[in-house]
Amino acid sequence: QKEVEQDPGPLSVPEGAIVSLNCTYSNSAFQYFMWYRQYSRKGPELLMYTYSSGNKEDGRFTAQVDKSSKYISLFIRDSQPSDSATYLCASDGDDKIIFGKGTRLHILP
Amino acid sequence: EPEVTQTPSHQVTQMGQEVILRCVPISNHLYFYWYRQILGQKVEFLVSFYNNEISEKSEIFDDQFSVERPDGSNFTLKIRSTKLEDSAMYFCASRSPRGGYTFGSGTRLTVV
Repeated sequence: QKEVEQDPGPLSVPEGAIVSLNCTYSNSAFQYFMWYRQYSRKGPELLMYTYSSGNKEDGRFTAQVDKSSKYISLFIRDSQPSDSATYLCASDGDDKIIFGKGTRLHILP
Repeated sequence: EPEVTQTPSHQVTQMGQEVILRCVPISNHLYFYWYRQILGQKVEFLVSFYNNEISEKSEIFDDQFSVERPDGSNFTLKIRSTKLEDSAMYFCASRSPRGGYTFGSGTRLTVV
């Protein structure tokens, strides 16, 4: 059962560009939505955490959830080479995290 | 900032051998998890553990796997007889009373 779907990329953008990463999910009961960043050979690191629909901003990062279309987005403004990583969307379903496959992002200097 | 600590960072084992992966969760957390990530694939849920027992396990978590919290600090994942397809990164996570999850850096298991 593919509960959280994400395009694996890779996605390459020039430094300074706005990055848009997206996921869809299937279970309408999901309430919590997360974005994790994962560097090579490291564990997932929580970036953003939102509850239900709406936007949340933290510095250069904005997370957006649209429950009507079951769509989750992460926007990165003024992207930096250090943002190069794999970005995992996830939802907190039934007391565990369910991850998407992750999108590999490359910011070109 | 509190961390989830996993040891070893890399383990190489022969097929058929038993391995134990170790984790030290954050001290005031009550829920503990193991996840697995096969190279190039998604992070997959294996098992959750609460109040000294398994609260949920996935279909991946068959009889070859077991978890234990032998003392107040360690949380272990044992694979009884490793197979080649068990090669993966294994992540431990713990969840705070407020709901936030913290992941360890993982153990890379290579079965040869």
